Amino acid sequence: EDQVTQSPEALRLQEGESSSLNCSYTVSGLRGLFWYRQDPGKGPEFLFTLYSAGEEKEKERLKATLTKKESFLHITAPKPEDSATYLCAVISNFGNEKLTFGTGTRLTIIP
Amino acid sequence: DSGVTQTPKHLITATGQRVTLRCSPRSGDLSVYWYQQSLDQGLQFLIQYYNGEERAKGNILERFSAQQFPDLHSELNLSSLELGDSALYFCASSPTGYEQYFGPGTRLTVT
Repeated sequence: EDQVTQSPEALRLQEGESSSLNCSYTVSGLRGLFWYRQDPGKGPEFLFTLYSAGEEKEKERLKATLTKKESFLHITAPKPEDSATYLCAVISNFGNEKLTFGTGTRLTIIP
Repeated sequence: DSGVTQTPKHLITATGQRVTLRCSPRSGDLSVYWYQQSLDQGLQFLIQYYNGEERAKGNILERFSAQQFPDLHSELNLSSLELGDSALYFCASSPTGYEQYFGPGTRLTVT
């Protein structure tokens, strides 16, 4: 069964303090790994899709990378508006197109 | 705004009752997915429809059912509601079977 583990569960950073969130996955053939941002009470907002090891994607202060076992979401010089829960999810090559989610990292940026 | 709409935003009902949640996918997206998010379980896949046909089932209870109509909107029906069914219910749509775009969700409270 596909599994996704995210760490840390929660992270508090000062504004401007860069860091990385981790997503470890176990899947029978990776079709894609996805990062989402979720604000409290809102729907997940799509950020990135990564398909193969070595791939990187960037958007503003966020950069996602992928290896054969894990993905990292690097946040450079974060601002308070980056505070949210960041979710990682995978779709397997085998079976259906369901997203299997991790439990997320709750990020708080302190001004 | 993802382009996926869900109604109602909030729903409060009593145990044993039946409710219907509605989702309109992004224009042109043929796939619709339903997910449940509770505090202790995280985001869990329930069911997928593609162009009116059921394509995949996840951890969906027998008391729950869904359908997708010719205009591609989808409804999730929850019956014989229990306290444990209280959760956020999200609908997502996808053009490709890869990245999924989530709606704002329906918050269901069962009292």
